[in-house]
Amino acid sequence: GIQVEQSPPDLILQEGANSTLRCNFSDSVNNLQWFHQNPWGQLINLFYIPSGTKQNGRLSATTVATERYSLLYISSSQTTDSGVYFCAVEWSDMRFGAGTRLTVKP
Amino acid sequence: DTEVTQTPKHLVMGMTNKKSLKCEQHMGHRAMYWYKQKAKKPPELMFVYSYEKLSINESVPSRFSPECPNSSLLNLHLHALQPEDSALYLCASSQPGGGQQALHFGNGTRLTVT
Repeated sequence: GIQVEQSPPDLILQEGANSTLRCNFSDSVNNLQWFHQNPWGQLINLFYIPSGTKQNGRLSATTVATERYSLLYISSSQTTDSGVYFCAVEWSDMRFGAGTRLTVKP
Repeated sequence: DTEVTQTPKHLVMGMTNKKSLKCEQHMGHRAMYWYKQKAKKPPELMFVYSYEKLSINESVPSRFSPECPNSSLLNLHLHALQPEDSALYLCASSQPGGGQQALHFGNGTRLTVT
């Protein structure tokens, strides 16, 4: 089956810092999405981004499908950005990477 | 506010009990999903319904029984569970088909089996 690898596994930032999260996948995919899971377990869809670049406020994402990776950029991080960031790819069905656990300190 | 609603939020059940988890979506989506998430792990797909028909069953034990009464509702019937089945159970919906559109998740049911 398809392999989905996220890096780094853990990230600690000071409030206001910028960060880049990476998702590598081992095969061509129809679909790639980024999610944020907050400390209460709620999973929020950030981007549906099988290719190209999208921006939403302080967040942006880029997927280079031909090179099988996607990047999530967080600028001017806030404590509310803390949680786990997952990428998920569709191969035969949606598969999640192991996630990046982000902690933003005030 | 989430447009995918799951009930109950928390559930504690014994190994001999029968209970059901419920999920409702009002987004007009025709695909609905059950995921299981253990602590500090990613969600794992259990079942997919597309146009009210079961399309994917990821080798889930028969003590979990899904049901899709209509395009807006999804149930997960639980019977004779084991303590290792304790987890966060997440429902999601999307438009079906290859290159599925965005998945939208409910807030989950946190299940404890005693």
